[in-house]
Amino acid sequence: RKEVEQDPGPFNVPEGATVAFNCTYSNSASQSFFWYRQDCRKEPKLLMSVYSSGNEDGRFTAQLNRASQYISLLIRDSKLSDSATYLCVVAPYNTDKLIFGTGTRLQVFP
Amino acid sequence: DGGITQSPKYLFRKEGQNVTLSCEQNLNHDAMYWYRQDPGQGLRLIYYSQIVNDFQKGDIAEGYSVSREKKESFPLTVTSAQKNPTAFYLCASSPGTGLAYEQYFGPGTRLTVT
Repeated sequence: RKEVEQDPGPFNVPEGATVAFNCTYSNSASQSFFWYRQDCRKEPKLLMSVYSSGNEDGRFTAQLNRASQYISLLIRDSKLSDSATYLCVVAPYNTDKLIFGTGTRLQVFP
Repeated sequence: DGGITQSPKYLFRKEGQNVTLSCEQNLNHDAMYWYRQDPGQGLRLIYYSQIVNDFQKGDIAEGYSVSREKKESFPLTVTSAQKNPTAFYLCASSPGTGLAYEQYFGPGTRLTVT
């Protein structure tokens, strides 16, 4: 089983739609969680950290479910510019390493 | 401007040659990392360094070497021993060590070996 698993997609949604991605992780002792965004042939960029209580940044909402070992990312009112690959990232306990998922590709169409 | 720079953006080499990829940061970050990314795969950790003159192997260190003589710089050498060197190489830095702080990436170097 992979340490971090994501549905590769692609998710094809119209502008204005709401879309949600899930990500599961295998290490129950993981302590930190992030969502990164990666545009085609570019570097990953931090989108948001994921906190236990859940957190929101504009149209983006991240949730953490420790009992079921998954995190989610909800994007409301999708824009064309949201088209990218979204990487789920998990930090196992007591380590400096981050474990990256393979990403979920989102394509927003007009 | 603060940030991470990698050079060159594209690099072409012949098989059997060593090549060094540059990574510089002016964010005053303690930790620096090297990853490679292949199509359809997640980022894989090659080496990382938490402090000057110290570094640790990541998950796929074979065929690579690094140095950390200055806090700002963490060059990666891809040696001829690396069997499949063609990939997208990403350098990252992080403000903290000991806990999993977020990492910030440079623009990457695309290495093609023929």
